[in-house]
Order: sequence, then structure tokens, then C-alpha cells
Amino acid sequence: NAGVTQTPKFRILKIGQSMTLQCTQDMNHNYMYWYRQDPGMGLKLIYYSVGAGITDKGEVPNGYNVSRSTTEDFPLRLELAAPSQTSVYFCASSYDGASGNTIYFGEGSWLTVV
Amino acid sequence: ILNVEQSPQSLHVQEGDSTNFTCSFPSSNFYALHWYRWETAKSPEALFVMTLNGDEKKKGRISATLNTKEGYSYLYIKGSQPEDSATYLCAFRSRYALNFGKGTSLLVTP
Repeated sequence: NAGVTQTPKFRILKIGQSMTLQCTQDMNHNYMYWYRQDPGMGLKLIYYSVGAGITDKGEVPNGYNVSRSTTEDFPLRLELAAPSQTSVYFCASSYDGASGNTIYFGEGSWLTVV
Repeated sequence: ILNVEQSPQSLHVQEGDSTNFTCSFPSSNFYALHWYRWETAKSPEALFVMTLNGDEKKKGRISATLNTKEGYSYLYIKGSQPEDSATYLCAFRSRYALNFGKGTSLLVTP
């Protein structure tokens, strides 16, 4: 049972570098999400997608981009890494937006920008 | 931005103690309330999804209640064990996504 898989698990970036966090799910879920977790803070929504080809901004989208070309994949791109983007990133998915549906999370990607 | 508050921020109990945490959330436009258990370096694990006022759910020694009219949910752990040590997150489901509280960090010592 793969569920939601994120890569890489750990990464150190230099300021100004770019990278993509990969996320894939094998549950045929329509909805996918990217959250970030900062110390002492709740998870904040970066971007979400309600289906292939559809994405929308969450609470903290600045400095990130996403795409959803397939149902399975929802990569998160950091174009010009900044120290403020040091965080733990979680990808998640759910079957649809029905309120009773569980949202499943990946194991997180630890990113440090130096 | 929907304000979800959790208390206490952290809790330290002895093995065998029972404990409870609080989650408060907006009482209008309610869709669902989610509880997660999260251990560092692991995926947040879904505990409960609660949708109806008065809902009570139970999973082993853990249970939760929901009051949508006043905007709060309680999570109870009966007879805490060291393996219950984790951060417990609640999240208010809005139209498309979850809005999380900061979590309650529980430490259970033998």
C-alpha cells in the first residue's frame, strides 16, 4: 500500500536555487494538496488541486508553483529558494471534496535553505 | 483564513492517566472536523472525521466528541500509554481543504 509518496525526504538548498518536490498517489484520488509545517505553527495550505489540469492557491502560495498534468502526480516547484522556505512539506490527497472523506498524507519532505 | 485553536499546546502525563484536549473552530459553514495523530518523520495518521453535531467516535482508548453549534471538539485518551506520545492535530474542513490548528503535543512517561 503505497498511498501518498513524496520525494525527496530531505534536501538542503542554497538561496536562489530551484527544485521540485515530487508527490504521487496511487489511490485514484481527485483532490491533492501541498501543506507546509513550520515550528510552532499549524500546517498551512500552499496549493491544492481538485483534478487533473486544475490547481488553485491556498493560504501561502508565494514562491511556489504547481502543476497537475495527471491524476496521480502533483509536483511542487520552488523557483528561487529563500530561507523563509525552510520547512517541512506535506503532500496529501482525498477522493473528492466530500466533507466526510479522509485526507491522506505523505511522510513529509524536510527542506533547508541556506 | 479560518481560525482553529487547540489547547493545551503541550501536555505531559504519567502512564495510565486519562487526558483530553480541546479544539475550537468557526461554528458557521461547518463541513467536517478531522483529528490526526502525528509522530515526527511519519505521515499524520487520520483518527476521526466528524461531520454531525453531537457525533461521538471511538477508536480503542481514544474517543472524540463534536459540538458544531458552539464550535468545539474534545479528544479523549483513556489510560495513556507511552506509545500515545505524539502531536494531535485537529483540522476544520472548509470547502476544499483542511485548516489546521497548531496541535497538542502529548508526552506520556512510564
